[in-house]
Amino acid sequence: AQSVTQPDIHITVSEGASLELRCNYSYGATPYLFWYVQSPGQGLQLLLKYFSGDTLVQGIKGFEAEFKRSQSSFNLRKPSVHWSDAAEYFCAVGPPGANNLFFGTGTRLTVIP
Amino acid sequence: NAGVMQNPRHLVRRRGQEARLRCSPMKGHSHVYWYRQLPEEGLKFMVYLQKENIIDESGMPKERFSAEFPKEGPSILRIQQVVRGDSAAYFCASSPQGPSGLNQPQHFGDGTRLSIL
Repeated sequence: AQSVTQPDIHITVSEGASLELRCNYSYGATPYLFWYVQSPGQGLQLLLKYFSGDTLVQGIKGFEAEFKRSQSSFNLRKPSVHWSDAAEYFCAVGPPGANNLFFGTGTRLTVIP
Repeated sequence: NAGVMQNPRHLVRRRGQEARLRCSPMKGHSHVYWYRQLPEEGLKFMVYLQKENIIDESGMPKERFSAEFPKEGPSILRIQQVVRGDSAAYFCASSPQGPSGLNQPQHFGDGTRLSIL
């Protein structure tokens, strides 16, 4: 079955620490891949996207993600987390030929001083 | 250049009433997508529309839900005879191209939080 998995429901990190949020997908072909961030009561803001080419993509706010075909993963990373990064993060995939995006269940990030 | 505009931001209805959610896509975007987000869950696709056409409604409940995107005006998601289980955040997204252009990211509005009493 096609799916998007974010195995970590909630992650807590200290400000200044590094961050990695995991995302795995299960589709027949390599889909388009996205990371969105959602602050409380807000809509989704696109952080970065992968379509093809270089497997390490840079996004806004200092985020990056690496596509690993062998692991069907697209993990989001940031070397030094800021308190303002506290939010919900969603991984999404757009399978070839699909009319829409499929979202993971999200990872809630808490940043402690 | 305004983003995707959704209104109202919050909507409260009693069971049995109708809910109307509006979405104006970004300027230049002619493709609209509706998603629903239940508490503690990710977004689930409901329907994809172009102007005056429903392209894919595979995620829409078969009853009580309908969507339109008229030639003029915003896209409307309509829920008739609402029930408690309809309580959720409803998000609209738009893109300049359709699915073959999924490499054009979907831009999301801030959503409508629907609460059913």
